[in-house]
Amino acid sequence: AQTVTQSQPEMSVQEAETVTLSCTYDTSESDYYLFWYKQPPSRQMILVIRQEAYKQQNATENRFSVNFQKAAKSFSLKISDSQLGDAAMYFCAYRSEETSGSRLTFGEGTQLTVNP
Amino acid sequence: KAGVTQTPRYLIKTRGQQVTLSCSPISGHRSVSWYQQTPGQGLQFLFEYFSETQRNKGNFPGRFSGRQFSNSRSEMNVSTLELGDSALYLCASSLGTGGSLSSYNEQFFGPGTRLTVL
Repeated sequence: AQTVTQSQPEMSVQEAETVTLSCTYDTSESDYYLFWYKQPPSRQMILVIRQEAYKQQNATENRFSVNFQKAAKSFSLKISDSQLGDAAMYFCAYRSEETSGSRLTFGEGTQLTVNP
Repeated sequence: KAGVTQTPRYLIKTRGQQVTLSCSPISGHRSVSWYQQTPGQGLQFLFEYFSETQRNKGNFPGRFSGRQFSNSRSEMNVSTLELGDSALYLCASSLGTGGSLSSYNEQFFGPGTRLTVL
């Protein structure tokens, strides 16, 4: 079974600064997908960024980028120029390409605080 | 286009009762997945339905069940409620299921139903 681990329960960053959230995962599969979701106080889960395991190039979406290290099974999220609206719980998630349909396996989450 | 809707948004039940939660996916989406979110266990997958068939099931007891209707709306039912069933229940919909990553299977989440068991 796959597992996802986020070792930072809480992180804080100053507005306009950069912060990196860590995620590691364990799998024996070679084809899979990784995601970062944001859950603000409204509890609505929002997809931030996604990465296909077969792609070596790191995904980027505006101020959000990932550092995907397949051999190390690491998938960190970098938020540049942090904004107050980035404050939320961030979840790393895994989806198998082979076996599990749309099933997502989530990490424990990292609560991000953005200080003005 | 309307997003994923879940009803009711809040629910209070007592131990031993049963409850039914509803999820209406985005128009045209045929896959609906359900997740339970608790402070202790985090986000856990319950089950996925695609074209009225259960495609995947998580590691939950048989008290948790679901179904999907021909219009893709889905319901989940929890019987004989326990205190530990108190949670935020999220559903997510996508056009399709599984396979390679594309807009076909990108999941969109609803706002959740907060269930409190007393």
